[in-house]
Amino acid sequence: QQKVQQSPESLIVPEGGMASLNCTSSDRNVDYFWWYRQHSGKSPKMLMSIFSNGEKEEGRFTVHLNKASLHTSLHIRDSQPSDSALYLCAASTTNAYKVIFGKGTHLHVLP
Amino acid sequence: EAAVTQSPRNKVAVTGGKVTLSCNQTNNHNNMYWYRQDTGHGLRLIHYSYGAGSTEKGDIPDGYKASRPSQENFSLILELATPSQTSVYFCASGDRGQAPLFGEGTRLSVL
Repeated sequence: QQKVQQSPESLIVPEGGMASLNCTSSDRNVDYFWWYRQHSGKSPKMLMSIFSNGEKEEGRFTVHLNKASLHTSLHIRDSQPSDSALYLCAASTTNAYKVIFGKGTHLHVLP
Repeated sequence: EAAVTQSPRNKVAVTGGKVTLSCNQTNNHNNMYWYRQDTGHGLRLIHYSYGAGSTEKGDIPDGYKASRPSQENFSLILELATPSQTSVYFCASGDRGQAPLFGEGTRLSVL
């Protein structure tokens, strides 16, 4: 059974600081990684996707992928209180239809 | 605009009763998913479908059935609801290689 592991479970950073979140898949056939953000009481919204080795940047958000180690990371620079949310990592393979999520990282950005 | 609509948004059921959660998508996506979300567990996949008439077991299918009568509709059925099924349920739709798009969720309480 494919598993997606996320760390840390919880993270506190000061406003303006850098937040770094990690995610690893147990399935060597994984081809797609997504990062979602879920604010309290809301549904998950896709934040960033990454499918190839390397780095992708969108504004304050940067995502890295190392396919050899099946590891992806999300980095948020200049963190804002509005970034406080649950961040979920999701993974899927080309040959499978199902999308598996990790347990998430709770990010708290303190003003 | 892409949309996934769930109904009802809130439901209170009695133990042993039958519960049906409905999901409709207007995105013409082939894949649809049902997840539940509980504190400490992230999003866990219950059932999924890759097209009308198909249903597949996810990671936690016990106690749940699913039905996909059309491209647009995907239902989750609890034949004999139990208090352990109290949770927030999310429906999502997507195509292979695409990030699933989520509905707003259904909060179910089984008393």
